[in-house]
Amino acid sequence: DSGVTQTPKHLITATGQRVTLRCSPRSGDLSVYWYQQSLDQGLQFLIQYYNGEERAKGNILERFSAQQFPDLHSELNLSSLELGDSALYFCASSEGIGTNEKLFFGSGTQLSVL
Amino acid sequence: AQTVTQSQPEMSVQEAETVTLSCTYDTSESDYYLFWYKQPPSRQMILVIRQEAYKQQNATENRFSVNFQKAAKSFSLKISDSQLGDAAMYFCAYKPGTSGSRLTFGEGTQLTVNP
Repeated sequence: DSGVTQTPKHLITATGQRVTLRCSPRSGDLSVYWYQQSLDQGLQFLIQYYNGEERAKGNILERFSAQQFPDLHSELNLSSLELGDSALYFCASSEGIGTNEKLFFGSGTQLSVL
Repeated sequence: AQTVTQSQPEMSVQEAETVTLSCTYDTSESDYYLFWYKQPPSRQMILVIRQEAYKQQNATENRFSVNFQKAAKSFSLKISDSQLGDAAMYFCAYKPGTSGSRLTFGEGTQLTVNP
């Protein structure tokens, strides 16, 4: 168990809908990362937050947004869902943003858009 | 941009034997980190081993070791005495040595361990 908790584990929804994925980082970790794993794109970095502030942005679509709350949990919001958004969404956390940080991953949320 | 390439989509090994998974990367950075992550059927991403580019000594974690060739930009993973529980997808990943930087993953290698 990595200590990173993601809910829900599975999510099935329809095209055009909006969903929210939740992540609780390991105790004491201030940095949260979101990754998308799909068959055609592989594992891709979406966005990073550190202590409530956006730190880095990767290949995140405009239909997607995220935030980190004062209690350090993070949410990834996906809207106007398309079939191609079906993927496994990972959250990872690390203690800080230093160069020597180790990332610990959650078990992921499997999103199926029908 | 940094890229990570795993040229072996699938590999298989007999239980108790040794297998080597290949990874190459491309970067213009001199300071960076390399990782191998394991993803079993449970989907959890588990850190197997980490290598700092400034260290010449190859990292070792029990049955797992790496062969880090900085000039060749090669980072292979050797699994000794393979066990059935080693069966998983293995991802090579790169992280620049700058603050807050993200991981870039390879395509993955599916490892099968035969009893």
